Amino acid sequence: AQSVTQLGSHVSVSEGALVLLRCNYSSSVPPYLFWYVQYPNQGLQLLLKYTTGATLVKGINGFEAEFKKSETSFHLTKPSAHMSDAAEYFCAVSGSFSGGYNKLIFGAGTRLAVHP
Amino acid sequence: GAGVSQTPSNKVTEKGKYVELRCDPISGHTALYWYRQSLGQGPEFLIYFQGTGAADDSGLPNDRFFAVRPEGSVSTLKIQRTERGDSAVYLCASSLGTGGSETQYFGPGTRLLVL
Repeated sequence: AQSVTQLGSHVSVSEGALVLLRCNYSSSVPPYLFWYVQYPNQGLQLLLKYTTGATLVKGINGFEAEFKKSETSFHLTKPSAHMSDAAEYFCAVSGSFSGGYNKLIFGAGTRLAVHP
Repeated sequence: GAGVSQTPSNKVTEKGKYVELRCDPISGHTALYWYRQSLGQGPEFLIYFQGTGAADDSGLPNDRFFAVRPEGSVSTLKIQRTERGDSAVYLCASSLGTGGSETQYFGPGTRLLVL
């Protein structure tokens, strides 16, 4: 079965510091990969996604992620954290062997705190 | 344009009662999804509609849960004989088409509390 592991349920960084949120998936076939952000009392918003092609994906708000097949990882990074980045971040995958590409399987989430 | 909307935003009910949760997808989106998010966890897939039909309902936990999309637009998730374990945020999403590369756009969710 396909699964997603997000290392670290809580991450705290200083404003201006590098943000690194980790995501690993278990799959013998590269799935489609997504990062979503959830602000309090709001719906999930897509940050970026990898389907095919270039393995370094750029998203909104200065975030990017790199698909590394050999490491089965899709870590999310941002060079310089801003206070407004404080939110919960979810990594998700979809794939044919999980029952369909239309079914997203989410990790448990990482809550990012940004302090002055 | 308008995003995915869900009503009500909050629902409190008593154990054993019946509830309906409504989702209005983005206009023109053919695919609609329901997910459930329990406290401290990521969303879990429940069901997916392509048009009016349920293309995949493998995530529905049991036969107390049912969803419809009669005209291929608005969808209603129905929960019979609610249990305290059904308390969660129920999320709806829609996408323009089907296929893994399509972006799913999420609504703000309905927070269900079963007392």
